[in-house]
Amino acid sequence: DAKTTQPTSMDCAEGRAANLPCNHSTISGNEYVYWYRQIHSQGPQYIIHGLKNNETNEMASLIITEDRKSSTLILPHATLRDTAVYYCIVSVGGFKTIFGAGTRLFVKA
Amino acid sequence: AAGVIQSPRHLIKEKRETATLKCYPIPRHDTVYWYQQGPGQDPQFLISFYEKMQSDKGSIPDRFSAQQFSDYHSELNMSSLELGDSALYFCASSLWDWVAGEVYEQYFGPGTRLTVT
Repeated sequence: DAKTTQPTSMDCAEGRAANLPCNHSTISGNEYVYWYRQIHSQGPQYIIHGLKNNETNEMASLIITEDRKSSTLILPHATLRDTAVYYCIVSVGGFKTIFGAGTRLFVKA
Repeated sequence: AAGVIQSPRHLIKEKRETATLKCYPIPRHDTVYWYQQGPGQDPQFLISFYEKMQSDKGSIPDRFSAQQFSDYHSELNMSSLELGDSALYFCASSLWDWVAGEVYEQYFGPGTRLTVT
């Protein structure tokens, strides 16, 4: 699975959009981009995933660049409860998921 | 909606003892994963099962073994426990999509906190 690079930490004001970037320059054509988050010591929570088209669900939007070498997770209106570690994972969608060092997002009032 | 159930939620064992962690996947999910998360670390993939067969393996110590049963629940057996085994152990479940040839997203349980003294 391709390696990902994310900022170590980010701040966001409550009510504003949180934009979390991820670089995956070695991504293969059949690899998906998945985003999960982990709120302190809870089980990771699935957010969204995509292959090459932008995706949106009730939690977030995922923007993937045309060359697929990077992506951005957008939380449109961040709340204090969105404070968590966000993991960007590139995978063929198989039976193994490798968590790298994610981004610690702090949402501040 | 039903979630992944893990038991026990907390477990305290002494060095060299054995421990068994249990995972009950979401109904109809056919794939189970196990992860270990040490203090201040990211989750590390241990092993996964699809339809009761091991489907992939990560950095699981030889002292650990796991299986998936006919009712799809899974157990992680840990022997000769070491202090370094103290961690949160997460189980996740998902569905395998035969048509698309991929697994759907994973749903994680609340974890079992294992403390080895």
